[in-house]
Amino acid sequence: KAGVTQTPRYLIKTRGQQVTLSCSPISGHRSVSWYQQTPGQGLQFLFEYFSETQRNKGNFPGRFSGRQFSNSRSEMNVSTLELGDSALYLCASSLVSRQGDGYTFGSGTRLTVV
Amino acid sequence: DQQVKQNSPSLSVQEGRISILNCDYTNSMFDYFLWYKKYPAEGPTFLISISSIKDKNEDGRFTVFLNKSAKHLSLHIVPSQPGDSAVYFCAASEAGGGADGLTFGKGTHLIIQP
Repeated sequence: KAGVTQTPRYLIKTRGQQVTLSCSPISGHRSVSWYQQTPGQGLQFLFEYFSETQRNKGNFPGRFSGRQFSNSRSEMNVSTLELGDSALYLCASSLVSRQGDGYTFGSGTRLTVV
Repeated sequence: DQQVKQNSPSLSVQEGRISILNCDYTNSMFDYFLWYKKYPAEGPTFLISISSIKDKNEDGRFTVFLNKSAKHLSLHIVPSQPGDSAVYFCAASEAGGGADGLTFGKGTHLIIQP
C-alpha cells in the first residue's frame, strides 16, 4: 500500500513569507502528526490531528498552524517565516491517535528560509 | 531542557560485533519507549519499543533494555550489519500517549565498518 506522501520535497522561501506543506497519510489512517527536525534540536513535536480535530500541540509559536481534512490529508502552515524555521518537516500517520509504534513517517519536506 | 538524551552523536562499530546505543530520560511520567532508525532523505522507521512494565524486549537482532531506576535504556544490535548504518533516535511517551506526542532524542549516527 502507498506510504505517507509529503509534498513538496524541497522548498526555498524568503524570510517573512508564508508556506504550506501537505501530508497524505496511509489510507485508513486517521491520525496525522507533524514534527520539525533540526540539527540542533532533533525531532520536535508540532501538533497532532485526529478526525479533523487538533488533539495535541507542541511548544511552537502561533505562526505554526495546521489542519486536517475529511479525507485525513493534513496541511501545516508557517507564517512570517524566520531563518530559524529552516528544517526538515516530517509528517507521521497512524490508525489511531497517540500510537507511537504505529507511526509511519513520510520522507519529509526540506524547507530552507533565506 | 532535554527530556530524552542521546549523549553519543556518533558510534563506529565493526561489522559482526555488537552495537550498543544508549538513551537517558528525565521525565518520570514516560512509560513507553521506542527506537526509530533513519536513513538520509527518508523519514524515520519504527524499530522496536518497550513498555515500562518490562525490562527487555527482543526482535530478531535488536534488543531494547530498560532500567527504570536509572532512567536509562539501550538498544543492542547483534550482529551488526552494514545496512544498520543509520541515525537511531530514541523516543518516549507518557501514559496514554501524553499531550506532547513523542519526545525524541537528538539521535546517534551509527557507522558499521566492514
